[in-house]
Amino acid sequence: DVKVTQSSRYLVKRTGEKVFLECVQDMDHENMFWYRQDPGLGLRLIYFSYDVKMKEKGDIPEGYSVSREKKERFSLILESASTNQTSMYLCASSPVGIIGPRVNSPLHFGNGTRLTVT
Amino acid sequence: SQQGEEDPQALSIQEGENATMNCSYKTSINNLQWYRQNSGRGLVHLILIRSNEREKHSGRLRVTLDTSKKSSSLLITASRAADTASYFCATDATQGGSEKLVFGKGTKLTVNP
Repeated sequence: DVKVTQSSRYLVKRTGEKVFLECVQDMDHENMFWYRQDPGLGLRLIYFSYDVKMKEKGDIPEGYSVSREKKERFSLILESASTNQTSMYLCASSPVGIIGPRVNSPLHFGNGTRLTVT
Repeated sequence: SQQGEEDPQALSIQEGENATMNCSYKTSINNLQWYRQNSGRGLVHLILIRSNEREKHSGRLRVTLDTSKKSSSLLITASRAADTASYFCATDATQGGSEKLVFGKGTKLTVNP
């Protein structure tokens, strides 16, 4: 079974801190994604990556950056945490599609990191 | 941006009944996926249906896709208390030449024992 591991289940940080959320997958997947989930807003895509050292902005990249130095690891960075970044953060990975678009394979999610910024 | 929208937002049924959730989207797709999320956990993939498919089954799950109406439905038959969860549809979308998966806001299903 694919395992996507997020380093922390719960995290409490102070406003202005630099925050690192780590995600590791063990199935050699090319695609990795970071979403945030908020009540009433569903899942919103922050950043995604299709290969090592590649990154693409999602729908809400402001205030975030990412790093993908190794294929199995995709890190989300909050440069200066703010209270409006309090949220559940979900990492996912998927293999590249063999035929057609890259996202025609199921995503495998981690259990999420619930971040509170005070 | 393109997004699937689930309907209803919340659904409460008795154990043994069927549950139907719907998803509508705005532009053409290559595939549509359904996911389940138990409270406080990550999402789990249920079914992927491609644009050239009309129906797909997996155990007690049945997914239909109507590309002419840009809609999909997820039917859970003979529901169980363990089916209590939020259900999301996701559609592929292209943004600036890059492909991504866009999720709806979900349907919260409660199955009462």
